[in-house]
Amino acid sequence: KNEVEQSPQNLTAQEGEFITINCSYSVGISALHWLQQHPGGGIVSLFMLSSGKKKHGRLIATINIQEKHSSLHITASHPRDSAVYICAVEGSQGNLIFGKGTKLSVKP
Amino acid sequence: GAGVSQSPSNKVTEKGKDVELRCDPISGHTALYWYRQSLGQGLEFLIYFQGNSAPDKSGLPSDRFSAERTGGSVSTLTIQRTQQEDSAVYLCASSPDYNSYNEQFFGPGTRLTVL
Repeated sequence: KNEVEQSPQNLTAQEGEFITINCSYSVGISALHWLQQHPGGGIVSLFMLSSGKKKHGRLIATINIQEKHSSLHITASHPRDSAVYICAVEGSQGNLIFGKGTKLSVKP
Repeated sequence: GAGVSQSPSNKVTEKGKDVELRCDPISGHTALYWYRQSLGQGLEFLIYFQGNSAPDKSGLPSDRFSAERTGGSVSTLTIQRTQQEDSAVYLCASSPDYNSYNEQFFGPGTRLTVL
């Protein structure tokens, strides 16, 4: 079993839809990261959180430490949100342990 | 300011050759991480540096892989006697220090193809 599990693996949405991507982990963590990887490969850090909820524009990330679960929400989705979204948890040395990613495609 | 840079952006090599990949972290960042992403696979951790030392080498896939960092800045990842399974995108990231709660900033990656 992977230490970080994401669902769904693939997600297709219509423009404007509310999107949720889930991440569950099985190890103790100090922080959880949500990353975005665009076609072309560049990786951008979206959020880093250790408790509660963070919001940036149309993106919201939540984490429940007791349940070892985090969600990434995108409100009013847009085709430019199409990317792979990766959940990663911090190991004991600060290195990241990655989920396999969720490929999101938003259709106009 | 300048972000994390990596060179070369693409490298094609023949099986059995050695390759060196370079990472220039953000100035002042003491922690540096190497990851790789094989085709169709997720990202995997290789090695991290705090300053010039690498306390955790457990992620290196074999003894053909080595990395060094000098002057607390630039790092090189060396792969000796490359194999086809080494083909991947090699990503470098840096953060202000090795403690948790620090965002990691990723470079654009080096795409390595071993023929």
